[in-house]
Amino acid sequence: GQQLNQSPQSMFIQEGEDVSMNCTSSSIFNTWLWYKQEPGEGPVLLIALYKAGELTSNGRLTAQFGITRKDSFLNISASIPSDVGIYFCAGLGAGNNRKLIWGLGTSLAVNP
Amino acid sequence: NAGVTQTPKFQVLKTGQSMTLQCAQDMNHNSMYWYRQDPGMGLRLIYYSASEGTTDKGEVPNGYNVSRLNKREFSLRLESAAPSQTSVYFCAGARGLSSNQPQHFGDGTRLSIL
Repeated sequence: GQQLNQSPQSMFIQEGEDVSMNCTSSSIFNTWLWYKQEPGEGPVLLIALYKAGELTSNGRLTAQFGITRKDSFLNISASIPSDVGIYFCAGLGAGNNRKLIWGLGTSLAVNP
Repeated sequence: NAGVTQTPKFQVLKTGQSMTLQCAQDMNHNSMYWYRQDPGMGLRLIYYSASEGTTDKGEVPNGYNVSRLNKREFSLRLESAAPSQTSVYFCAGARGLSSNQPQHFGDGTRLSIL
């Protein structure tokens, strides 16, 4: 099935560093969602984006809906150890096929 | 994830056994979803229910059945479990199918088929 290209696959950073990850698609989306999954738990919604060009923050997290509607970016500033987890992007297209399309995730490790 | 509750959290089955995974939500969600998550494969949609009384196939429906018992509950059944169905299963709910309705997930059921 259709999937999003999410990169990087994994990151290992030092505490305090900023983090950037992104998702791209060949299709246009109307909604971009960013989730975080910690071990043993389900994905938790971090940020939802609904308009091209939209820039939304949630604490140290900032996400943007790309102007072409084919990409999205998530930035984490001043990372801390509890940022560890897998970050997923998901997109929802227009039309009748209203199923979320998921990226394969970016695994983030933070060295204290 | 208190709004979406999955039971059991863990289960081990033998090949050929049947099993029903339960999901209940108290967030007044209209639509509900079942996913499986496997290493390197991300989240794959098995079945979904747009509203009470309706169910539709997702990306990987073979070997599964679902029942939308009422607005709160959406169960996933494996009639004859196979080792390929070893996975982590997630249930999710959303207010609707439209583009401004993000999905909220339960904590998962970890299922091993021997």
